[in-house]
Amino acid sequence: GQNIDQPTEMTATEGAIVQINCTYQTSGFNGLFWYQQHAGEAPTFLSYNVLDGLEEKGRFSSFLSRSKGYSYLLLKELQMKDSASYLCAVSQDDAGNMLTFGGGTRLMVKP
Amino acid sequence: NAGVTQTPKFRVLKTGQSMTLLCAQDMNHEYMYWYRQDPGMGLRLIHYSVGEGTTAKGEVPDGYNVSRLKKQNFLLGLESAAPSQTSVYFCASSSLDRAKNIQYFGAGTRLSVL
Repeated sequence: GQNIDQPTEMTATEGAIVQINCTYQTSGFNGLFWYQQHAGEAPTFLSYNVLDGLEEKGRFSSFLSRSKGYSYLLLKELQMKDSASYLCAVSQDDAGNMLTFGGGTRLMVKP
Repeated sequence: NAGVTQTPKFRVLKTGQSMTLLCAQDMNHEYMYWYRQDPGMGLRLIHYSVGEGTTAKGEVPDGYNVSRLKKQNFLLGLESAAPSQTSVYFCASSSLDRAKNIQYFGAGTRLSVL
């Protein structure tokens, strides 16, 4: 089977750092994606990891450990606009196009 | 550049009615997908297409049909709507190029079946 787990909700303070974890057990692996989804809106792409290590993109970073089936999304210098759901998704097919999503983590940023 | 456009944005159906959701993309993407999103369950793949004239089943295909007569359009049909199909439906598209396989999503269709 396949299982992608992430916390349901997290709360953090404006200006702080927050780490959102994602663990996966899938029959195949060809990359891990993070998407951001504001309430009532479409998911938008944040990051992609296919090799172990850290990918940094501005205030957002994503880490992958394939041997541990583990990833995290790190958000620095939190802003109120970062309040959203963060979706972890694993690609299992050779072309890297078929995604299996976790349930999403709803992040609330408080002043 | 519109990206991925879904119509309608909202719809209310009675049990047993039928409807078609339309997805259009202007990025010349080969792959297109239909997902449903329910509270706490994330996005689940209903059907997908790897090119014009081709479709395939995803994780939760029962009760839905799809067609891809033109590369830019992907239609999702509900032949006889049921309350269990109340959900938010998202269409997405992506390139065949593995280096550019990010999925781009439409704004969603909120469907209620009474």
